[in-house]
Amino acid sequence: AQSVTQPDIHITVSEGASLELRCNYSYGATPYLFWYVQSPGQGLQLLLKYFSGDTLVQGIKGFEAEFKRSQSSFNLRKPSVHWSDAAEYFCAVGTTSGTYKYIFGTGTRLKVLA
Amino acid sequence: GAGVSQSPSNKVTEKGKDVELRCDPISGHTALYWYRQSLGQGLEFLIYFQGNSAPDKSGLPSDRFSAERTGGSVSTLTIQRTQQEDSAVYLCASSIPPPSRQYFGPGTRLTVT
Repeated sequence: AQSVTQPDIHITVSEGASLELRCNYSYGATPYLFWYVQSPGQGLQLLLKYFSGDTLVQGIKGFEAEFKRSQSSFNLRKPSVHWSDAAEYFCAVGTTSGTYKYIFGTGTRLKVLA
Repeated sequence: GAGVSQSPSNKVTEKGKDVELRCDPISGHTALYWYRQSLGQGLEFLIYFQGNSAPDKSGLPSDRFSAERTGGSVSTLTIQRTQQEDSAVYLCASSIPPPSRQYFGPGTRLTVT
């Protein structure tokens, strides 16, 4: 069955530190991959997506993610975190055959220390 | 242009009552999704509409849940005989035909007392 795992429920980093949020998926083919961010009281906003091509994708707000097929991973990174990055982050997989579906992970809540 | 809108933003209802949640997608978006987000949980897929095709209802948790999409635009999610476990944030998203990014509405927070 298709699934998305975000192993870290909570992560706390200091402002200015680097960040990596993990995402692993289970899917029989190469999926479409997304990272969304949900700030308090806000709707989900797309950070970046991977459909094909270069496995390192750049997104908004200085985020990037790397698709590693061999590890079934799509980890999100940022070199220097800002206090405004505190939010919940969701990794999602889009199926590429049959009925299109998007499967979301359970999210990682990021706290940023001043 | 306007984004995805949902109404009401908050709904408190008594157990056993029926509720209707509304979603207005972005104009021209043929795909529309409903999700449920419970505290500490990810997004749970409920139902997917694409154009004039039969909806994918595989995520609806019980027959108390139903959804319609009229004229390929506005959608209504109906929950009959609400239960306390239905309390959650219900999110709607729309997109051009997949695969594509989804645009999410702000959600409706449903509280069943």
